[in-house]
Amino acid sequence: RKEVEQDPGPFNVPEGATVAFNCTYSNSASQSFFWYRQDCRKEPKLLMSVYSSGNEDGRFTAQLNRASQYISLLIRDSKLSDSATYLCVVNQGGKLIFGQGTELSVKP
Amino acid sequence: GAVVSQHPSRVICKSGTSVKIECRSLDFQATTMFWYRQFPKQSLMLMATSNEGSKATYEQGVEKDKFLINHASLTLSTLTVTSAHPEDSSFYICSAREGGRMSANTGELFFGEGSRLTVL
Repeated sequence: RKEVEQDPGPFNVPEGATVAFNCTYSNSASQSFFWYRQDCRKEPKLLMSVYSSGNEDGRFTAQLNRASQYISLLIRDSKLSDSATYLCVVNQGGKLIFGQGTELSVKP
Repeated sequence: GAVVSQHPSRVICKSGTSVKIECRSLDFQATTMFWYRQFPKQSLMLMATSNEGSKATYEQGVEKDKFLINHASLTLSTLTVTSAHPEDSSFYICSAREGGRMSANTGELFFGEGSRLTVL
């Protein structure tokens, strides 16, 4: 079993749609959680951290369920510029473990 | 924000040659840098943790004699792929965390632009 698993997609959605990505992790001792965004052939960049209470940043909402070892990212009112690969990332003892990413394509 | 520079961004070499990739933190000191490798459509795989002034810590399955890491200063880490073969062709990305161990759990890593290695 992979340490961090994501649905690879691709998710093809129209502009304005709401889309949700899921992620599960296998190590219950994982300490902190993040969503990164990676554009094609570029380096990943931090999108947001994920907290147990859930957190929101504009159109983006992240949720964490430690009991189920499950993380989610919700994007509302999606824009063309949201097209990218979204990486679920788990901090295990100071090392960041990446999921394979979920590809999102937002169409006009 | 913190900036990490990686060089070269693209390299093509013949099988059997060695390739060195540099990773520099431009505006902060990085006691720890990380080297990742990413194959197409796959996740970033941590290869090794580079510690300033000491030996790198390699992940399971990564050959330390093939992927030589040197972290001689607080702003520079290098990865040398020795005797490269076509299966080593990949996207290599370095990253650094601002500060030392006290910031180990803040999570944000600053990534270099990546180096795309093609071995013919």
